[in-house]
Amino acid sequence: KQEVTQIPAALSVPEGENLVLNCSFTDSAIYNLQWFRQDPGKGLTSLLLIQSSQREQTSGRLNASLDKSSGRSTLYIAASQPGDSATYLCAAGGNAGKSTFGDGTTLTVKP
Amino acid sequence: DVKVTQSSRYLVKRTGEKVFLECVQDMDHENMFWYRQDPGLGLRLIYFSYDVKMKEKGDIPEGYSVSREKKERFSLILESASTNQTSMYLCASSAGGADGYGYTFGSGTRLTVV
Repeated sequence: KQEVTQIPAALSVPEGENLVLNCSFTDSAIYNLQWFRQDPGKGLTSLLLIQSSQREQTSGRLNASLDKSSGRSTLYIAASQPGDSATYLCAAGGNAGKSTFGDGTTLTVKP
Repeated sequence: DVKVTQSSRYLVKRTGEKVFLECVQDMDHENMFWYRQDPGLGLRLIYFSYDVKMKEKGDIPEGYSVSREKKERFSLILESASTNQTSMYLCASSAGGADGYGYTFGSGTRLTVV
């Protein structure tokens, strides 16, 4: 059974800092790795999706990488801003379109 | 813009009521999911459906049922609402097979059972 772990559970950084969020998964036979953002009381918004044949995806200040062999993905946020404060979840996509989610990392960016 | 729409953002229901949570997607996705999310417990899968009229239990199906009569609509039913079902409910959809397109979520329904 796939297990997805995100460490740390919470992270606080000063504005402007570059940071990395980590995601690890136990079964490397994944179809994709997806990163989401969740603001308090809201649904999950997809940030980046890396398909199994890809190594990374970029969107603006965000860059996500995937290393299937080591069971790891990272989300890199450049020049963090207070508006980046949210919970970030990763999900490993299995067959039949069903994903396994981590518990998330709650990021606070202090002005 | 592709969408998953949940019919209510906030609901307040009484203990013992039958509650329907509706979810509609416009992406022609085969798979649809219902999760609940509680502080400290993460996302927990209640039920999912991989085709019309097909359903499978997730990790916590007790006290819930689902209905999928049309491809675009997936309903979650609380047969007799209880206070321990107070939670955030999230609906999602994904394409079938290995096309790698991932999940799209709705905006969530915050249900309070009093």
